[in-house]
Amino acid sequence: AQSVTQLGSHVSVSEGALVLLRCNYSSSVPPYLFWYVQYPNQGLQLLLKYTSAATLVKGINGFEAEFKKSETSFHLTKPSAHMSDAAEYFCAVSDITGFQKLVFGTGTRLLVSP
Amino acid sequence: DTGVSQNPRHKITKRGQNVTFRCDPISEHNRLYWYRQTLGQGPEFLTYFQNEAQLEKSRLLSDRFSAERPKGSFSTLEIQRTEQGDSAMYLCASSLNREAEAFFGQGTRLTVV
Repeated sequence: AQSVTQLGSHVSVSEGALVLLRCNYSSSVPPYLFWYVQYPNQGLQLLLKYTSAATLVKGINGFEAEFKKSETSFHLTKPSAHMSDAAEYFCAVSDITGFQKLVFGTGTRLLVSP
Repeated sequence: DTGVSQNPRHKITKRGQNVTFRCDPISEHNRLYWYRQTLGQGPEFLTYFQNEAQLEKSRLLSDRFSAERPKGSFSTLEIQRTEQGDSAMYLCASSLNREAEAFFGQGTRLTVV
């Protein structure tokens, strides 16, 4: 079975500071990994995805994530936080057959202060 | 707007009543997914369709839940004899094929009182 653990239900940063959201996965087969963002009362928007190509994945809005097999991690980073980045972020895993079924973490709420 | 559309956006119902939600996927997307998201949790997979065929159902989808996708277009999710534990956001997503990105709708928030 696949699973995802997101460390920290809330992360607070100042505007302009580095954003680091942590995600560790468990999978018995090579995984596909994703980060989604959710704004209040909205659906989910895909930020980026890892599908066994380059281990450093660049996404939208300046976010990127690095797949580290040895650490079973897929942490999300952004060099400089913006107020508009305040939202809920979800890490998700799927098996290599694609988007058939996503298993999500419990989410991390990012708070950005001026 | 050509995204995934879900209706209604909000539904309040009394315990024991039946409710039905509708999802209109992006045109030409042959895969359609339903997820449920409770407060403070990530979305949980419920079921998915390849065209009109329902290919997988989660154990979360009890006998009170039924989903259809007639003609491989829109989909409906019905909950019979609603319970307070059914209160959640129900999310629909669609994708062009197995490898393509899944696009999510804005969800239907169900409150059972």
